Amino acid sequence: DIQMTQSPSTLSASVGDRVTITCRASQSISSWLAWYQQKPGKAPKLLISKASTLESGVPSRFSGSGSGTEFTLTISSLQPDDFATYYCQQYNTYSTFGQGTKVEV
Amino acid sequence: QVQLVQSGAEVKKPGASVKVSCKASGYSFTDFYMHWVRQAPGQGLEWMGQINPNSGGTNYAQKFQGRVTMTRDTSIRTAYMELSRLRSDDTAVYYCAKEVRAFDIWGQGTMVTVSS
Repeated sequence: DIQMTQSPSTLSASVGDRVTITCRASQSISSWLAWYQQKPGKAPKLLISKASTLESGVPSRFSGSGSGTEFTLTISSLQPDDFATYYCQQYNTYSTFGQGTKVEV
Repeated sequence: QVQLVQSGAEVKKPGASVKVSCKASGYSFTDFYMHWVRQAPGQGLEWMGQINPNSGGTNYAQKFQGRVTMTRDTSIRTAYMELSRLRSDDTAVYYCAKEVRAFDIWGQGTMVTVSS
C-alpha cells in the first residue's frame, strides 16, 4: 500500500500569511495527487487534482506543485474562509489519504 | 446538478451489519467509479474501497476485506456499502464519492454509531 505523510499536522497562521503544506508519498505516484479542504461537519471539497490543476471555482490563491513523491499545497495569502483541515490524497493505486493538516489561527 | 444523496444516520449494536445507500443524480451513473470513505470522530479520512457501477467490479482496502460489500443498482442509480460484524471503532461518518478528477463530488455523509 502507498502511504501518504503530510506535514505539519497543525499550522498556526494569520490572515494574509503564505501557507505551505507538504505531502510525501512512500513511492512514486506520478502526478496522481489531489488536495481537499474540509470544514467541521462537512464533506471534503476537492481543491486541486493531478497535483496542480485547480478545480473550477477554487480561488487562485490556492496552488499545488510536485510530482513523483513530493508535493506541496500553497495558499498565497490566507483568508478567513481558509481556516480548515487540508488532506492530500494519492489516486495512482486505489486511494490513500494523508493524515491531514489543520490550519488554525 | 450533480449530486450524491446518502441515507440517514444509523445506530447499530456490535456484531450487527449496516447498509448505507448513495443515490446519484445529474450525471451518467455508470460512467464513473464510486468510492466509499469513512471518518471516525476527530480523525482523518480513510478509503474503504471502490465499485465500478458499469460492471459491478469492486476493490476493497485490505483492512476491510471480508467485512465490506459494495454493490449498485443501476436502475435506480444507487450505490450501496454494507459493513458487517460491526465494532465500536466502526463508529464514523461514511461518505460516498464519485471519481472523475480525483473525488470531485461527495455525498453529505452518513453517521453510523456502533454502541451496545
